[in-house]
Amino acid sequence: GQQVMQIPQYQHVQEGEDFTTYCNSSTTLSNIQWYKQRPGGHPVFLIQLVKSGEVKKQKRLTFQFGEAKKNSSLHITATQTTDVGTYFCAGGFSSGSARQLTFGSGTQLTVLP
Amino acid sequence: DSGVTQTPKHLITATGQRVTLRCSPRSGDLSVYWYQQSLDQGLQFLIHYYNGEERAKGNILERFSAQQFPDLHSELNLSSLELGDSALYFCASSGGAGGPNTQYFGPGTRLTVL
Repeated sequence: GQQVMQIPQYQHVQEGEDFTTYCNSSTTLSNIQWYKQRPGGHPVFLIQLVKSGEVKKQKRLTFQFGEAKKNSSLHITATQTTDVGTYFCAGGFSSGSARQLTFGSGTQLTVLP
Repeated sequence: DSGVTQTPKHLITATGQRVTLRCSPRSGDLSVYWYQQSLDQGLQFLIHYYNGEERAKGNILERFSAQQFPDLHSELNLSSLELGDSALYFCASSGGAGGPNTQYFGPGTRLTVL
């Protein structure tokens, strides 16, 4: 079946350090979305990338979609304690249901003050 | 607040029992998805309904079933419960103003099977 692999599973950083999580798919994605889940909370939509090579920024967060539309990354510059949570990528496959997403396993980010 | 509501918030039951989880999507959203999240696990897709019809099935056990009603709310039925079914169950909706793919998650139902 369609799978989206995400690494690392866990990341501990010191406040102020940068953080990156990566997603890979063996097949071409139609789009990729990123979600954040705070401890004890529910996943919240962050952004969607659709175009090959697309880069989008939200303040300290930079999202990239690979040229082949098979990989994506989320980079956080100068982490803060408010960045704590689990970050999920979710890939949309054109061969699947038009609205169905396949979620990666998530990267749990801990920011040490 | 995502606009998606789920009830109940917590559910504690015994093995072998049957429970029903309820989800009301955001106003205007036609799609409802159900996910299972076990401790330190990712989101396991269970099933997707669109405007009352089943559209896709994921890793959903035969003991589990779901439906979406004409008013678009959805219910997930879990039967013959086992200890391993203890998890957070999320409902998400999409298809409205947020675009066809963006999923808005509810607060979840935490199921504990003793």
